[in-house]
Amino acid sequence: KNEVEQSPQNLTAQEGEFITINCSYSVGISALHWLQQHPGGGIVSLFMLSSGKKKHGRLIATINIQEKHSSLHITASHPRDSAVYICAPLTTGNQFYFGTGTSLTVIP
Amino acid sequence: EAQVTQNPRYLITVTGKKLTVTCSQNMNHEYMSWYRQDPGLGLRQIYYSMNVEVTDKGDVPEGYKVSRKEKRNFPLILESPSPNQTSLYFCASSLVLPGYTEAFFGQGTRLTVV
Repeated sequence: KNEVEQSPQNLTAQEGEFITINCSYSVGISALHWLQQHPGGGIVSLFMLSSGKKKHGRLIATINIQEKHSSLHITASHPRDSAVYICAPLTTGNQFYFGTGTSLTVIP
Repeated sequence: EAQVTQNPRYLITVTGKKLTVTCSQNMNHEYMSWYRQDPGLGLRQIYYSMNVEVTDKGDVPEGYKVSRKEKRNFPLILESPSPNQTSLYFCASSLVLPGYTEAFFGQGTRLTVV
């Protein structure tokens, strides 16, 4: 069963491009996290949101609770943005589900 | 520096030999949790704890135990490891439920069971 679907699975972009990663989920949630995992394996939380939109530097995350969909946007992409991006909804029962991740490569 | 510390980072062990992976946070967080990450399956929650002496099963708890005797520590115990528990493990913490505050992750523990 796949409670969380991310797309695309893999993405290659030229430096400077605008990037969108999508996340759809089927469970009822209280919030959703976007995580970034670098090649070394460490995981960093980028955003936690339960409604609307959040912006941090060149990163923007949006969520539509009714449509069960969230997006992560990267403006003016840079090679250092190359990483795996993981969508992680938190259910109303306090359980995390995770997407399998989107592997992003930004080419100079 | 605010951090979640896992040890060891790498571990190779044999089937059936009990092991413990430690996790410690220095942020006075109430919520702590363990995850395993496998290729093609992504991250899956093993156990979580909402406070001292309060633990609950996640998605894949079979073969694992946890304890939360102190707020800062949340060890993951494999009583009798098997090869299907070979995986990359992450510990995470947040101030309260991660639906309300940012989550912090440890650097990961790569476990191989032979």
